[in-house]
Order: sequence, then C-alpha cells, then structure tokens
Amino acid sequence: NAGVTQTPKFRILKIGQSMTLQCTQDMNHNYMYWYRQDPGMGLKLIYYSVGAGITDKGEVPNGYNVSRSTTEDFPLRLELAAPSQTSVYFCASSSGQGGWNQPQHFGDGTRLSIL
Amino acid sequence: GENVEQHPSTLSVQEGDSAVIKCTYSDSASNYFPWYKQELGKRPQLIIDIRSNVGEKKDQRIAVTLNKTAKHFSLHITETQPEDSAVYFCAASLTQAGTALIFGKGTTLSVSS
Repeated sequence: NAGVTQTPKFRILKIGQSMTLQCTQDMNHNYMYWYRQDPGMGLKLIYYSVGAGITDKGEVPNGYNVSRSTTEDFPLRLELAAPSQTSVYFCASSSGQGGWNQPQHFGDGTRLSIL
Repeated sequence: GENVEQHPSTLSVQEGDSAVIKCTYSDSASNYFPWYKQELGKRPQLIIDIRSNVGEKKDQRIAVTLNKTAKHFSLHITETQPEDSAVYFCAASLTQAGTALIFGKGTTLSVSS
C-alpha cells in the first residue's frame, strides 16, 4: 500500500494563478482531509469529506475549493493564488469503522510558494 | 469554536530525563485525542492516541493521560533519547466535523546527550 499520495511535492506559483493539489489514498478510507501548516504553526483544517460526493468547510476554507467524486481522490483547488496561501499542504485520510474516531494517515505534503 | 492550547512551546531536556507536554481543549464533546510527532520537513506521524472512555494509555516510553472534567490531556515521554527531538502536536476531535481534528500549535522538544 502506498497510503496517502500527494502531488506535486513542491510548486511555485505567481499571484493570481490557479492550481490543483492532488491527493489519492489506497486504503479505502471514507474520510479525507486537507490541512495547511504555516511555518512554526500547527495544522489548520481547510476542507474535509466524509465520503464520495460529500464535502464541508473546515477552519480556513476561504480561497480554496474541493471535490470528492471517488473514494480514492480528494483534490484541492486554488483559484486565485495569493501570498497568504504560501504554506505546506497536507492531505490525510481515516477509516470510519467502529463508530469512534480512527487515526489519520498523512501524506508527505505539498510545499507551495506564491510570489 | 473549538480551541486547543498546547504548552510549553519549547522544551529542552537532558537525555534520560522525562518530558511532559500539556494540552487543553474547549469542546466538552470532543472524544478523541491523538498526539503526532513531526520531524523537520516530514509528515506528522501518530505516536499515541486516547479516546474519552479511558483515562490513561501507555506504549513503551510514551504515555497519555486524559482528564475530561478539566478538559486537559498530557503526553509523557520517559527516558528521553536524542531521536525523540522533534515537534509534537496534540489534537482534539472537532465533533461537528465528523472525525476532523483541531491541532495545538506544537511543542519543539530538544533532547541533548
């Protein structure tokens, strides 16, 4: 199993450009999440999904969009890149078994710089 | 909204000493509390977690305690080693967001030999 795979690993964007950060998991997890981590800070939830076709906003959703057409994929879209979106983006997934929260498995992250 | 406070922000110990990191949470309905270790430039890695139906959990040199009444939980690392040096994050489940987590700001642990 590859676990959670994120692409690209690094990217530099110009202000106003758009891009999609890809996230795929092969563990058949229902739940998927996008977090951003600014330097020296904890992770902040951007969006999450509890299953295909279902998404919802987290703590910091402004400037981002997501979709969940399959169980495996949860792409994050930046429409008009701004310097404030320079960050490391982590995708994570977890199963929904047992009625309790299950551990989240993280990808390696995408380091995004907007200049 | 839900908030998680983590202290201290930095912690320096000698090899072999114990290290304790404390977190408080605001939502009394939170029921899952994981701890993650993150090395520089790497992904967060789960090291231990605890659910609200138990008060303590131990895994070798690492233990977590939970006080639901006071809404705080702590990470205890005994017999610290230089390879324990990293940033440690606590988190609490965001009950209105399914299984999503709210993270503390992290503690940078330095273990000197």
